[in-house]
Amino acid sequence: AQKITQTQPGMFVQEKEAVTLDCTYDTSDQSYGLFWYKQPSSGEMIFLIYQGSYDEQNATEGRYSLNFQKARKSANLVISASQLGDSAMYFCAMRVLLGGTSYGKLTFGQGTILTVHP
Amino acid sequence: NAGVTQTPKFRILKIGQSMTLQCTQDMNHNYMYWYRQDPGMGLKLIYYSVGAGITDKGEVPNGYNVSRSTTEDFPLRLELAAPSQTSVYFCASSYPKGVTEAFFGQGTRLTVV
Repeated sequence: AQKITQTQPGMFVQEKEAVTLDCTYDTSDQSYGLFWYKQPSSGEMIFLIYQGSYDEQNATEGRYSLNFQKARKSANLVISASQLGDSAMYFCAMRVLLGGTSYGKLTFGQGTILTVHP
Repeated sequence: NAGVTQTPKFRILKIGQSMTLQCTQDMNHNYMYWYRQDPGMGLKLIYYSVGAGITDKGEVPNGYNVSRSTTEDFPLRLELAAPSQTSVYFCASSYPKGVTEAFFGQGTRLTVV
């Protein structure tokens, strides 16, 4: 069974500084994808970035980068140059890819609330 | 571009009543999901489907049922509603091949009184 753990219930960061949101995962499957989503107070789910288990390079998308350490089973999100609009709940998720024991299943962590201070 | 459409957006249900939450996607995605999100909490998977005619339980399936007769639709049925089912429900879909993100509907806010 897959499990996603986000150990930081809340994080605070000063505007323009970088922040790292932690995510660890557990799976016995070899082929999987890791995702980060943002949920602002309005409630919608906004996709940010993804990383495949076979990707050797860390994913980057604008101010977002994913620090993927496969041996440690971690997929931390790094937000550079934080902005006030980054204040939101952030979720890490994992999906087992085709051929896995529970392929297609998309599991989310508990989330981290990020607050950006001016 | 409609994407993932959920109806209704809000609903108040009395204890013991039943209802169906509708979810439709127009992206020809094979994978579809239902989640519930309690206030300040994460998303818990209720049911998911990897294609028409195929459904599987997630973490919290009790009290819910699903069906997947077409690629586009994935309705969630609540039987005998209980206050513990008060939550925000999200439907999502994704393309099956490769590492592709899931697209979410806007959510249904359900209150059981």
